[in-house]
Amino acid sequence: DVKVTQSSRYLVKRTGEKVFLECVQDMDHENMFWYRQDPGLGLRLIYFSYDVKMKEKGDIPEGYSVSREKKERFSLILESASTNQTSMYLCASSLQGMYVTEGYTFGSGTRLTVV
Amino acid sequence: GNSVTQMEGPVTLSEEAFLTINCTYTATGYPSLFWYVQYPGEGLQLLLKATKADDKGSNKGFEATYRKETTSFHLEKGSVQVSDSAVYFCALGTGTASKLTFGTGTRLQVTL
Repeated sequence: DVKVTQSSRYLVKRTGEKVFLECVQDMDHENMFWYRQDPGLGLRLIYFSYDVKMKEKGDIPEGYSVSREKKERFSLILESASTNQTSMYLCASSLQGMYVTEGYTFGSGTRLTVV
Repeated sequence: GNSVTQMEGPVTLSEEAFLTINCTYTATGYPSLFWYVQYPGEGLQLLLKATKADDKGSNKGFEATYRKETTSFHLEKGSVQVSDSAVYFCALGTGTASKLTFGTGTRLQVTL
């Protein structure tokens, strides 16, 4: 089975801190995604990457950046954390071209609280 | 563009009741359709899928049939259990982009 591992289940950070959320997948997937999930808003795509060093903005990229230096790792960076970035963050991956029939594999999520 | 509309929750049912969660979609091309489930405190897990019209996806007693004529993919289960309490997401993917489009999720609460 494909595994997508997010490094932390729970994080508490202070306003203004630089925050790194890490995601690693072990099945050689080309595509990786970062979503945030908020009550009543569903899943909103922040960034995605379809290859090493490639990235594309999603629907809500403001206040975030990403890094993909290796195929298996996709990092989400909050440059200066703010309280409105308190949320559940979900990482997902998929095979290039296979997302249509196979869907995504998700990590367990990181619940980030910014105080 | 692509979109997915799910019924608003929460849906509250007694154990052994019949479940239907409605999902309709708008898509260009011929989408694949998915249902994901999210248990409390967890990420999303793929529950079932259908990749062409009239296909029926099934898993763990849940079923959904890809209805092209009504652009729907409703999730059903004949007899729910307390352990089915979760949030259910309908999603679609097409060949025009690398991204799945998700509905906003429907929370199911099953009580004894």
